[in-house]
This record gives sequence, C-alpha cells and structure tokens, in this order.
Amino acid sequence: DAKTTQPPSMDCAEGRAANLPCNHSTISGNEYVYWYRQIHSQGPQYIIHGLKNNETNEMASLIITEDRKSSTLILPHATLRDTAVYYCIVKGFTGTASKLTFGTGTRLQVTL
Amino acid sequence: SAVISQKPSRDICQRGTSLTIQCQVDSQVTMMFWYRQQPGQSLTLIATANQGSEATYESGFVIDKFPISRPNLTFSTLTVSNMSPEDSSIYLCSVETGPEAFFGQGTRLTVV
Repeated sequence: DAKTTQPPSMDCAEGRAANLPCNHSTISGNEYVYWYRQIHSQGPQYIIHGLKNNETNEMASLIITEDRKSSTLILPHATLRDTAVYYCIVKGFTGTASKLTFGTGTRLQVTL
Repeated sequence: SAVISQKPSRDICQRGTSLTIQCQVDSQVTMMFWYRQQPGQSLTLIATANQGSEATYESGFVIDKFPISRPNLTFSTLTVSNMSPEDSSIYLCSVETGPEAFFGQGTRLTVV
C-alpha cells in the first residue's frame, strides 16, 4: 500500500470548513484513498473513500486531484465533536478484506 | 455494517500474567484483525485471524506472545501473554464489510 503524508495538526473554528490535506504520490492505479477518524478513546470510524472522482456523503467530501497524488478531506461545517485524529489511508480494494496501514494522522482541533 | 463488542473495556494487570480479550461481531466475517495502539501512537496491526486456520502475524509480533483463537465466523480472542509494562496499550479488533472497516471500542490495558 502506498505511503501517505499528513500535517501533524490543524485548528479550525467551529462552523467553518475544515480542509485536511493528504499526499500520496506513490499511489497506484487500483488503490483507493480512505479516510478514518479516531475520537479520543474510541475505535476508528470510517468517513469516506474514493478512487479518482470526488465523493460526498453525509459526513464529508473527498476531493482527489486529477493525478491522484493528493487529496483533501472537507468537513463543511466543523463542530466541536469533529475534534479527532484523522487518518488518510491508501489501500487496494479487491473484494477481500485486508488490513489498514495507519500513519500518524492529523490531529484536528475545533475551537469556539 | 457491523457492530463489534469487545471485552473487557479496560483492565489493570500484574506483570507476568496473561489477559484474554474477546471480540464478538454481529455478523459472520471471514477475517478479523487485531490492532495495538500504544500510548500517543497510531494503530499497528498485530495479526489477521481467519476462521479455521492459524492467524497471520505481522513483523514484530509472535504467536507465543499474542496467541489468537478464531473458533467461528463471529468471534475471536487475543491473549497478551507474560505481560510487561511495555504491553500497556489499547487493543482493538476490526472487521471489514465491503469497503468499510469497523472497529471495537478497544481494550485499554495497563500492566503494573
């Protein structure tokens, strides 16, 4: 699985959009970009994933650059409950379950 | 989706003893994954457990230290053997259904 690079920490004001970047320059054609988050003392939670098109769900939007070497997770209206460590993970999806390789993630602090 | 129940949620153990962590899933899954999260660190995969076969361990983890059982498609146990303070961590089990991974709430282990 390709390696990812994320900033160690970010701050965001409540109600504003949080834009979390991720670099994955060695991603291969069949690998997906996944985002998970871990709120303090809980198990990681799936947020969203994508291959090459931008994706949106009830939690967030995922913007993947055309060359697929980087992506941005967008939380459109961050709340205090969004304070967590966000992990960007690149992984192939073959239909068979496989492990997740977690990097160090970005610690997002949402403030009043 | 999948709901995972992990027991115990936390424990304080004496060095030299062993602790068995249980993981119950509300649906049948082929693979179950066991992760460790040391204090202030990211998640690291310990092993992958398939029903009916021996678990596959990641580099740095061995069966004698972390024996795993997988008696059926909804249940697994991880034992942390001959514990030392360095084993103090959060241990999490995980399953994958479709593209999404689900995690238990973790077992917070403190070895004294």
